[in-house]
Amino acid sequence: NAGVTQTPKFQVLKTGQSMTLQCAQDMNHNSMYWYRQDPGMGLRLIYYSASEGTTDKGEVPNGYNVSRLNKREFSLRLESAAPSQTSVYFCASSAVRTDDGYTFGSGTRLTVV
Amino acid sequence: RKEVEQDPGPFNVPEGATVAFNCTYSNSASQSFFWYRQDCRKEPKLLMSVYSSGNEDGRFTAQLNRASQYISLLIRDSKLSDSATYLCVVIGAGSYQLTFGKGTKLSVIP
Repeated sequence: NAGVTQTPKFQVLKTGQSMTLQCAQDMNHNSMYWYRQDPGMGLRLIYYSASEGTTDKGEVPNGYNVSRLNKREFSLRLESAAPSQTSVYFCASSAVRTDDGYTFGSGTRLTVV
Repeated sequence: RKEVEQDPGPFNVPEGATVAFNCTYSNSASQSFFWYRQDCRKEPKLLMSVYSSGNEDGRFTAQLNRASQYISLLIRDSKLSDSATYLCVVIGAGSYQLTFGKGTKLSVIP
């Protein structure tokens, strides 16, 4: 099925460990995004990539890095995980024209202990 | 003032009821508006876009009031399957980034 695929679905990390969350879309969308969702905080933008080859910071970029590997793939890296990064992470993509909104992946539930 | 504000609820309504949610936004230059639905422990999914003239999709009606900077969603004849959190979403002028409200939780009761 066409859409946005995220891996892994669940992950437990120890403080200080690193990991990369993977995201791929097969809808030929230009723009891709990483959000985190915390209870009572709503969805907050971490980083986005307007098009292949570009990335920009969102609202809460500290502690994260991203790579737009190609048009399909956009990865999020935690270099040194902290308990404050315990969250649900969603990747999303959109066409240039955003009237159709975003398509989200099913999320990664990350716990940092 | 927060960019996008919603009443968190929960709204507990019986099956068949009509329920309305409102959402206010702070950026008067905002250009695009959406309602998303999020089921428990799932990703947000686009419910409908909101157009200036108002729009309807089956039991769902969305309206936009630019002068007062609010968006509404009306659900008629509520079904048990409508139970979810409804997210108000706004795109600012010259941007393609979505700004989300924190969501309004709806529970439809048998």
